[in-house]
Amino acid sequence: GNSVTQMEGPVTLSEEAFLTINCTYTATGYPSLFWYVQYPGEGLQLLLKATKADDKGSNKGFEATYRKETTSFHLEKGSVQVSDSAVYFCALRAGGSYIPTFGRGTSLIVHP
Amino acid sequence: GAVVSQHPSRVICKSGTSVKIECRSLDFQATTMFWYRQFPKQSLMLMATSNEGSKATYEQGVEKDKFLINHASLTLSTLTVTSAHPEDSSFYICSAAGWDNEQFFGPGTRLTVL
Repeated sequence: GNSVTQMEGPVTLSEEAFLTINCTYTATGYPSLFWYVQYPGEGLQLLLKATKADDKGSNKGFEATYRKETTSFHLEKGSVQVSDSAVYFCALRAGGSYIPTFGRGTSLIVHP
Repeated sequence: GAVVSQHPSRVICKSGTSVKIECRSLDFQATTMFWYRQFPKQSLMLMATSNEGSKATYEQGVEKDKFLINHASLTLSTLTVTSAHPEDSSFYICSAAGWDNEQFFGPGTRLTVL
């Protein structure tokens, strides 16, 4: 079946540090890959997505590249801000399903 | 962009009462709506999928008589937690998908059952 594995958090960084949150997946066929962000007390917001191998999704300074050879979709940002503190979910859609499979989420805490 | 709202954002109720949560797609027609439950520090668990005008499809282990879902129009779905108990306390999130199946999530509803 489909599954998404994310690194366990929390990830704690100082402002302006470099961020990487690892995500690997298992899926049948050719999935679309997503990163969602959940700010405290809120629902999920789509952060970025990539629909085919080697695509790079980017938004608000965050980037992730769809790596088919390593089945990964790691999230990166060059310089994090306190306002980036949130929970980040990696997800995939595959096999013609429109229902995402989510990872467990990684909490990011950014200190001033 | 597509906007999905939920109401209420927070609700506190007594054990044994029923609570209704609304999910609305504000600027598009949602052919399918989804209800998720999220436990603290965990991922989203899909509870059910509903299509406008038809009965909801519940995931395994979700009690359909306890979590009543109605999808009366292309812009509104409701989740009613019947005879709520403290173990039903959770964060409930809906999402809505249009013709292209892209899901847009609501802001969530925090339910606390005393």
